[in-house]
Amino acid sequence: GDSVTQMEGPVTLSEEAFLTINCTYTATGYPSLFWYVQYPGEGLQLLLKATKADDKGSNKGFEATYRKETTSFHLEKGSVQVSDSAVYFCALRNDYKLSFGAGTTVTVRA
Amino acid sequence: DVKVTQSSRYLVKRTGEKVFLECVQDMDHENMFWYRQDPGLGLRLIYFSYDVKMKEKGDIPEGYSVSREKKERFSLILESASTNQTSMYLCASSPPGTSGGRPNNEQFFGPGTRLTVL
Repeated sequence: GDSVTQMEGPVTLSEEAFLTINCTYTATGYPSLFWYVQYPGEGLQLLLKATKADDKGSNKGFEATYRKETTSFHLEKGSVQVSDSAVYFCALRNDYKLSFGAGTTVTVRA
Repeated sequence: DVKVTQSSRYLVKRTGEKVFLECVQDMDHENMFWYRQDPGLGLRLIYFSYDVKMKEKGDIPEGYSVSREKKERFSLILESASTNQTSMYLCASSPPGTSGGRPNNEQFFGPGTRLTVL
């Protein structure tokens, strides 16, 4: 079945540091790929998405590129802020279902 | 803005009780979902519904049932709550549709219900 593996946290960074969270997937067909973010006390929000190979999703300074050859969708941000502290989930969608990674907790210190 | 609301943010129940978790969405979405979120396991799909009165099992349906009598409302039912059902429960909805044959519609999530079963 479909599965998503993302790097384990927690990750602690200083403000303005570079962030990367690795995500790889196993799936049949041509899934769409997503990054969701969950801020403390809130539900999940879509951060960015990509629907086909070589697509780059971007939002709020975050980027991820759909790499079919390496089955990866790594999340990156060049300069993080304290407000980026959250749990980040990589996910793929085949048909109706979303399959999620375990989540990576990111804490950014001032 | 799409809004998905859940009836309670926090709930405490006793073992053996019947528990209802309610979810309502206001965007006329066909698809609705129930997940549970546990540390280190991410989100796991319990049930989903793609139309009124239609439901399909997700990855972990045991111990749960669902009801969808109206398009905007999707209920999760714990017939006899157990301590291993203590978790965060998240509801989501999405419109149907694909783009170029690929499913690409995002799911919109509610704030979650943190259920504790004692």
